[in-house]
Amino acid sequence: SQKIEQNSEALNIQEGKTATLTCNYTNYSPAYLQWYRQDPGRGPVFLLLIRENEKEKRKERLKVTFDTTLKQSLFHITASQPADSATYLCALDLAGNNRKLIWGLGTSLAVNP
Amino acid sequence: GAGVSQSPSNKVTEKGKDVELRCDPISGHTALYWYRQSLGQGLEFLIYFQGNSAPDKSGLPSDRFSAERTGGSVSTLTIQRTQQEDSAVYLCASSLAASGQETQYFGPGTRLLVL
Repeated sequence: SQKIEQNSEALNIQEGKTATLTCNYTNYSPAYLQWYRQDPGRGPVFLLLIRENEKEKRKERLKVTFDTTLKQSLFHITASQPADSATYLCALDLAGNNRKLIWGLGTSLAVNP
Repeated sequence: GAGVSQSPSNKVTEKGKDVELRCDPISGHTALYWYRQSLGQGLEFLIYFQGNSAPDKSGLPSDRFSAERTGGSVSTLTIQRTQQEDSAVYLCASSLAASGQETQYFGPGTRLLVL
């Protein structure tokens, strides 16, 4: 069956370090993969989109990689700050019907000052 | 203009009552999605609308759930005969089009509690 997995355990890191979050998927062949941030009590907010033919995408302190062979995306936050503390969600388009996204459960990140 | 808005922000109801949740998407966005998020869980797709096409209702959990979108803009999600397991945050999102490459813009959600 199709599955998306993100680190289930919360990630705690020290301010200034690089946070790396993982999104693994099985039995999908997505054309696009998106990362969103969700703060408590709020809806998700879009961060980055990466296409299947792109290996890496950057935006300020954020970097996303997409390995279609490993079926994995890594999301990096460099020089992390306490304000980066949130839950991060990955989402894939559904192969054969890319009109909607399938969402991971999210990984909670806490950046400690 | 403004982002996606949802109302009410919170709703407490008694088991068996009907509830209506409203979503105002971003102007010009042709696609509108409804999701449900239970505590500590991921986003569960419920339904999406794309322009004048028939909605994709494949995520609706039972026939107690229905949604409509009037005039290609505002949408209402209706839950009839609410059950305690319906308690969750209901999120609405809109995008320029229904596509995996389009950004989805989310509203703040409606927190539904069924007693």
